[in-house]
Amino acid sequence: DTGVSQNPRHKITKRGQNVTFRCDPISEHNRLYWYRQTLGQGPEFLTYFQNEAQLEKSRLLSDRFSAERPKGSFSTLEIQRTEQGDSAMYLCASSLGDDEKLFFGSGTQLSVL
Amino acid sequence: DQQVKQNSPSLSVQEGRISILNCDYTNSMFDYFLWYKKYPAEGPTFLISISSIKDKNEDGRFTVFLNKSAKHLSLHIVPSQPGDSAVYFCAASAHNNDMRFGAGTRLTVKP
Repeated sequence: DTGVSQNPRHKITKRGQNVTFRCDPISEHNRLYWYRQTLGQGPEFLTYFQNEAQLEKSRLLSDRFSAERPKGSFSTLEIQRTEQGDSAMYLCASSLGDDEKLFFGSGTQLSVL
Repeated sequence: DQQVKQNSPSLSVQEGRISILNCDYTNSMFDYFLWYKKYPAEGPTFLISISSIKDKNEDGRFTVFLNKSAKHLSLHIVPSQPGDSAVYFCAASAHNNDMRFGAGTRLTVKP
């Protein structure tokens, strides 16, 4: 399968714990995006990378959130001191060059109890 | 601020008829528009797109229309098939910056 891969698919955690999600984009894609989606809403932009550089961050991305893409390949999204309001589907997407079509992974569903 | 709006949360049509999904936007800087389809437990998948220099783009059963003066776009699916049942998201971007999505419309095509 050469699509965007996200792990884990589901994560249940207790409030205050840290969680980390991983995204493996399509191999030749240089752009990588993180989105968050809650029930009844469309995906909300969080941040994006071009190669290893994080070029843009949404104001939705509080200081408890950090994303990395150390070698310009896979990316991780960490949430520290999780809150119940962090419960959502976290989607990763990738694209190539100036192509604006995003290819999405299946997402990581986070539940904070 | 919701710059991309899909005001119909759901739409139900009969198989073989036309489905029309609508989307409005507020940011006049948007220059590229896309429709994504999402099945349960999967991420959104790209369906069709249109640049702001065009007013229509067609791909098989799917056609997207753009009305820049009204800041409105629509997706037409004809004929509709039961396999088209999914949530459809409208998305827009400005100069290849972050993409904004609408809240989605759930399409149900009845056999």
